[in-house]
Amino acid sequence: DIVMTQSPDSLTLSLGERATINCKSSQSVLYSSNNQNYLAWYQQKPGQPPKLLLYWASTRGSGVPDRFSGSGSGTDFTLTISSLQAEDVAVYYCQQHYSSPYSFGQGTKLEIK
Amino acid sequence: QVQLVQSGAEMKKPGASVKVSCKASGYTFTTYDINWVRQAPGQGLEWMGWMNPNSGNTGYSQKFQGRVKFTRDTSISTAYLELSSLTSDDTAVYYCARVLGIGNMIRGVLGYWGQGTLVTVSS
Repeated sequence: DIVMTQSPDSLTLSLGERATINCKSSQSVLYSSNNQNYLAWYQQKPGQPPKLLLYWASTRGSGVPDRFSGSGSGTDFTLTISSLQAEDVAVYYCQQHYSSPYSFGQGTKLEIK
Repeated sequence: QVQLVQSGAEMKKPGASVKVSCKASGYTFTTYDINWVRQAPGQGLEWMGWMNPNSGNTGYSQKFQGRVKFTRDTSISTAYLELSSLTSDDTAVYYCARVLGIGNMIRGVLGYWGQGTLVTVSS
């Protein structure tokens, strides 16, 4: 099974600052046949189900603001929020959709200073 | 629009079973896989498995193998999760989620989620 590890566990930043969350997989999630990384990011606000932000490491889901971006390849990935807004307070999860079981990272809690 | 509406909260005793439903609307139910994910109180997300509503084929996380069963009723566009031999460790919110699209490239990408069903296991 692929183990997903996020860092940091929590992050406190000011409005307008850049947020960076890292995700590392225990084995590569890059499909060589199509050169796509099978890595997704989700946002979960308190009391709500998760919401898909990004998949294939960098493709934004429907309606996701362009301040959210993803990068990385193979085993190391990053979610970046370019300019933090108040509504971005949430827990963020990465997930590999390369092979079953489609495991999640432990989550990163993002708060505003 | 795509909607997944889950059944209400459940309270169960240790050793019992629970069945959670997930009613889909706004799309053709048999076209897209349904996955189940759970979240213990204050904890992260745990993927449980998937079901193809057309064929009924399923895939379960090894952790739940033998104790979990995914079924569906296509006539009412509803997926079910049944979990048996419950312990307090199974206390969690259980989510159904539909994959974003069709094909291997998008398998496991959870684009639409139900509101969650809280299952509490307590004596």
